[in-house]
Amino acid sequence: GENVEQHPSTLSVQEGDSAVIKCTYSDSASNYFPWYKQELGKRPQLIIDIRSNVGEKKDQRIAVTLNKTAKHFSLHITETQPEDSAVYFCAASMAGGGADGLTFGKGTHLIIQP
Amino acid sequence: DTAVSQTPKYLVTQMGNDKSIKCEQNLGHDTMYWYKQDSKKFLKIMFSYNNKELIINETVPNRFSPKSPDKAHLNLHINSLELGDSAVYFCASSQFREYEQYFGPGTRLTVT
Repeated sequence: GENVEQHPSTLSVQEGDSAVIKCTYSDSASNYFPWYKQELGKRPQLIIDIRSNVGEKKDQRIAVTLNKTAKHFSLHITETQPEDSAVYFCAASMAGGGADGLTFGKGTHLIIQP
Repeated sequence: DTAVSQTPKYLVTQMGNDKSIKCEQNLGHDTMYWYKQDSKKFLKIMFSYNNKELIINETVPNRFSPKSPDKAHLNLHINSLELGDSAVYFCASSQFREYEQYFGPGTRLTVT
């Protein structure tokens, strides 16, 4: 089955700086890579996703890049703000192939220092 | 309007008891999932259902029995609860062969 590795487990950055979280996946058949943000005690919320036919996607301060050859994808957050503090999860699936669940990385606790 | 809802939000029970968690979605999706988030925040798929049929069962003990009475509902029944079942259980939904999954608010199960 799919295995997703996520690094780092904790990331502390100064407010206004950029943050980068990296994930690798094992199954070359995976074609959908979402990123979820989870605040304490809340549900995971989809913040951005990318499909395997796209190399990069951007939404305001958030961007995701995908390297299919190397089987890794990254989340980039620019101009970080206090409200960006949360746990971020990457995931992979063969979505579009049926009712596949998401295989998640172990999460990155992002801390924005004021 | 709540897209994916779960009841109860908190569930505290003793070892050996049987309990159920309910999930409902009003997004018109036909695929629903159960995920377990353990104390280390690791999220893992347990089951998926499409049009009331079981698609994925990820080596979950058979004490866990999902039931889907219709496309909008997926319930999780757990027999003979164990300490290790303590976790947050999230329901999610999506449209079959489409991508985005939307999560419910979670049910925090504590087994004492």
